[in-house]
Amino acid sequence: AQTVTQSQPEMSVQEAETVTLSCTYDTSESDYYLFWYKQPPSRQMILVIRQEAYKQQNATENRFSVNFQKAAKSFSLKISDSQLGDAAMYFCAYRSGFGNEKLTFGTGTRLTIIP
Amino acid sequence: EPEVTQTPSHQVTQMGQEVILRCVPISNHLYFYWYRQILGQKVEFLVSFYNNEISEKSEIFDDQFSVERPDGSNFTLKIRSTKLEDSAMYFCASSPYYEQYFGPGTRLTVT
Repeated sequence: AQTVTQSQPEMSVQEAETVTLSCTYDTSESDYYLFWYKQPPSRQMILVIRQEAYKQQNATENRFSVNFQKAAKSFSLKISDSQLGDAAMYFCAYRSGFGNEKLTFGTGTRLTIIP
Repeated sequence: EPEVTQTPSHQVTQMGQEVILRCVPISNHLYFYWYRQILGQKVEFLVSFYNNEISEKSEIFDDQFSVERPDGSNFTLKIRSTKLEDSAMYFCASSPYYEQYFGPGTRLTVT
């Protein structure tokens, strides 16, 4: 079974600075997808960014980018120019590339933005 | 932009009662999911649904749980006899293939 590990329960960053959230995963599959979801205090789960395992290029969405290291099974999220609205829980998630597959989530990292 | 919607936003029920949580997935999506999140914990998979049948279910999804897509738009999760430990946030998600889009969740409180 696949596992997802987020080793940083909490992180904080000064507004306008850059922060990196870590995620590692364990799988024997070659085809899979990785995601970062944001959960603000409203508890809505918001998709931030996705990465296909077969793509070597790291995904980028505006201020959010990932560092995908397939051999190391590492998938970190970098948030540039941090804003107060980025304060939330961030969950890393894994999905197998085969068929209709569930998401397996990590335990989350709570990100605090310091004004 | 289309969104997944869920009702109610908050449900309070007594132990042993039946509850039905409702979801309206995004209209052209084919895959549907229920997840739950106990307060302070990670999001856990309950069940996936495709082509009007369950594709996969977790160990949590025991005989007390059932899902249905009664009318081609709604997707429901029923808990037949709620327990205190069923108190959690329940999320519905839908997917066109591999990206899953979540609804705002239903907070279930069992007293």
